[in-house]
Parts: sequence; C-alpha cells; structure tokens
Amino acid sequence: KQEVTQIPAALSVPEGENLVLNCSFTDSAIYNLQWFRQDPGKGLTSLLLIQSSQREQTSGRLNASLDKSSGRSTLYIAASQPGDSATYLCAVNDYKLSFGAGTTVTVRA
Amino acid sequence: EAQVTQNPRYLITVTGKKLTVTCSQNMNHEYMSWYRQDPGLGLRQIYYSMNVEVTDKGDVPEGYKVSRKEKRNFPLILESPSPNQTSLYFCASSFGRVNEKLFFGSGTQLSVL
Repeated sequence: KQEVTQIPAALSVPEGENLVLNCSFTDSAIYNLQWFRQDPGKGLTSLLLIQSSQREQTSGRLNASLDKSSGRSTLYIAASQPGDSATYLCAVNDYKLSFGAGTTVTVRA
Repeated sequence: EAQVTQNPRYLITVTGKKLTVTCSQNMNHEYMSWYRQDPGLGLRQIYYSMNVEVTDKGDVPEGYKVSRKEKRNFPLILESPSPNQTSLYFCASSFGRVNEKLFFGSGTQLSVL
C-alpha cells in the first residue's frame, strides 16, 4: 500500500524567504505526482502535475522536482509572500491517488 | 467558469436522517470522485466513477452510496448517517483517472448529531 509522508507538518517563514516542502512515497511505480494548495475552509487547487517521466515542473514562482527512484518530491516556492500561507498537499497516483497529510505554511509579513 | 460545484457547504443533521450532497462539474470530465478529510487521517477516497453508470468503491465506502446517471452529476448519498460520518467532504473531477489534473469542489462540512 502506498504511503505518502510530508515533513514538516508546519512551517513558518518571514516574507521573502524561499520555501522548501518535502514529500516522500514508498512505492516508486507511479504515474505522476501532484502538488495541491488548500486554503482554510476551501477545496484543493492543483498547482503542479509531474508525470513519472519528468524530473521537474515549473509554474511562475513554483518549481516541483521528482526523484522516482528515491521516492521523493520537493516543492520550491521562491520569494514567499503572505498570500502563500496555506496547506500544501502532495498526492501520488499509482492508478489510485494517495495523499500526504500536508504541510501548513505561514509566511510572516 | 470551469468549476466543480458542491451543495450544501454546511449541513447539520441527526443520526439516521437520509441526506444527499450534490456535486456537479461543467468541464465534461469523465472521472469523478468523493473524498472525506479528517484531522490526522488526511484525504480518503469514498467512491469514484470512471463514466456514466460506472462507479466503484474507494478506501472508505461503508455507509455511503453514489450514482452517476449523467456525466456532469455525481451525488453522494448517506442513507442512515451516523456521528462517525461527521467530516469535511470533497467532490473532485478530471478528464481521466491517471494523467490529468484533479479539480476539487469547495467542500461540504457535515455534522451528524
């Protein structure tokens, strides 16, 4: 059974600092990995989708890398802003989507 | 605007009183699914549907029913709700099950007393 872990569970940084969020998974036979953002009381928004054949994916200030062989993905958010405060979840798709518990990020102004 | 719409956003009910949470998407997605989100347990899949009239169980299907009579709608039915079904529920959809971004509704906070 696929296990997805996100460490740390919470993170607080000053505005302008780069954010590094980690996601690890136990079974490397995956189709893809998605990073989501969840704001309090709201649904999840897909940020980046990395296919298993890709090493990274970029969108604006966001960059996600994937190392399938070691079962790891990292989400980088450059020059963080208070508006980046949210919970970030990763989800691994091996024909079934398995979610991590998320990392709650607070960016202090 | 492309979206997944869930109703209601909040629902308080009593044990045993049947309820339905509606879900509709306007993106012509074939794949739809329901999740529940609980503190410490994360998101768990309840049911999913690959297309009209095709549904299957997820990880935690007990106590729930679904139907997919139309492509755009995927209601979640609780025939006899119990307090352990108190949770935050999300509907989601995508073009396919595997290599597509998943779009989520805003969620339904359900409390069963």
